[in-house]
Amino acid sequence: LAKTTQPISMDSYEGQEVNITCSHNNIATNDYITWYQQFPSQGPRFIIQGYKTKVTNEVASLFIPADRKSSTLSLPRVSLSDTAVYYCLAFNNNDMRFGAGTRLTVKP
Amino acid sequence: GAGVSQTPSNKVTEKGKYVELRCDPISGHTALYWYRQSLGQGPEFLIYFQGTGAADDSGLPNDRFFAVRPEGSVSTLKIQRTERGDSAVYLCASSLIAGGPVTDTQYFGPGTRLTVL
Repeated sequence: LAKTTQPISMDSYEGQEVNITCSHNNIATNDYITWYQQFPSQGPRFIIQGYKTKVTNEVASLFIPADRKSSTLSLPRVSLSDTAVYYCLAFNNNDMRFGAGTRLTVKP
Repeated sequence: GAGVSQTPSNKVTEKGKYVELRCDPISGHTALYWYRQSLGQGPEFLIYFQGTGAADDSGLPNDRFFAVRPEGSVSTLKIQRTERGDSAVYLCASSLIAGGPVTDTQYFGPGTRLTVL
């Protein structure tokens, strides 16, 4: 199981692009990199998943370098409603273990 | 369609009591997961079911914790002789399939907040 390391907290302002980097030095060949978002009093919500290079959906982009030892979640033009905890996971076969995540605070 | 639902939303009990927490997964989802989350921490894996059977229960902290899914749909997490340290939010998630090289997305319920006095 790959262990992930990400910043404990980040601050940003409305309209800015936010990049949250996660390191997973021991990632296994079969592991996928997945990001979840969690608002207070709610369960985590899937944001994006990727294996290598770049993945983009309507919410975010995920950049994964060739060595796959890190990944970066990119949130374009954040709003106040993007204030949440963001979790990075690297796993396969549903062996999902959450770390403490990154608490993102978006300020007006 | 309806998402994952959990009941009750809040449960307050006394130390030593027995509690049951219920999870209704998304219809048709074969995999069901239980996590618990303490304040300021990420969800901690407890157990996951593939159909009716527990495929991985390595996260259950001790034998006071038990979970069932008798018909492959609704699941109940049971905690005997509750302790104050059991206080947490208990989250349930379900996914369409389980296993394989590409992990299927897990959909989480809102959780049950358990408080043991």
